[in-house]
Amino acid sequence: AQKVTQAQTEISVVEKEDVTLDCVYETRDTTYYLFWYKQPPSGELVFLIRRNSFDEQNEISGRYSWNFQKSTSSFNFTITASQVVDSAVYFCALSGMDSSYKLIFGSGTRLLVRP
Amino acid sequence: DGGITQSPKYLFRKEGQNVTLSCEQNLNHDAMYWYRQDPGQGLRLIYYSQIVNDFQKGDIAEGYSVSREKKESFPLTVTSAQKNPTAFYLCASSIVAYNEQFFGPGTRLTVL
Repeated sequence: AQKVTQAQTEISVVEKEDVTLDCVYETRDTTYYLFWYKQPPSGELVFLIRRNSFDEQNEISGRYSWNFQKSTSSFNFTITASQVVDSAVYFCALSGMDSSYKLIFGSGTRLLVRP
Repeated sequence: DGGITQSPKYLFRKEGQNVTLSCEQNLNHDAMYWYRQDPGQGLRLIYYSQIVNDFQKGDIAEGYSVSREKKESFPLTVTSAQKNPTAFYLCASSIVAYNEQFFGPGTRLTVL
């Protein structure tokens, strides 16, 4: 069975601090995809990144970076120099043959960035 | 403007009534999905459709029904059989399996 665990329920940081959101996954698929989504207070989920299981290169996009490690089944997300606008709920998700292409979401991490 | 629209944004329903939530996309995506989100929780899949005139149950399909008569439309009906329908409902679409899903703004349903 596939599963995504986001152990951090809530994180609170002061603006300009760096913060890492953890994501651990379980799957028996050899080919799978990992995703991160942001859900601001408005409610709409915003796609941030997709990573396939064959690409373990870290990715950086502006203040955002992602660390994918198959050895520990983790796909962590770091925000550098956090800003108040980063306050949101962040979801990690997994998709693979074992789940018939469905997205399996973690329970989310609520990030609060205080000014 | 390409995207996914959901209507209405807020919906109130009396117990025992069926209600239909609209989801339309102009992204030319084949696959469409409905999710339910309860406060402080993640998303749970209700139904999904990978092609027109075909759909499959997700993890929590009981009390819900869908149709996919057109590629761009995937309406969700919340029936009176759904025991606890108050929730936030999100519709999504994607090009093909494995690709990222894009989400609509959601409909917040409250049963009075």
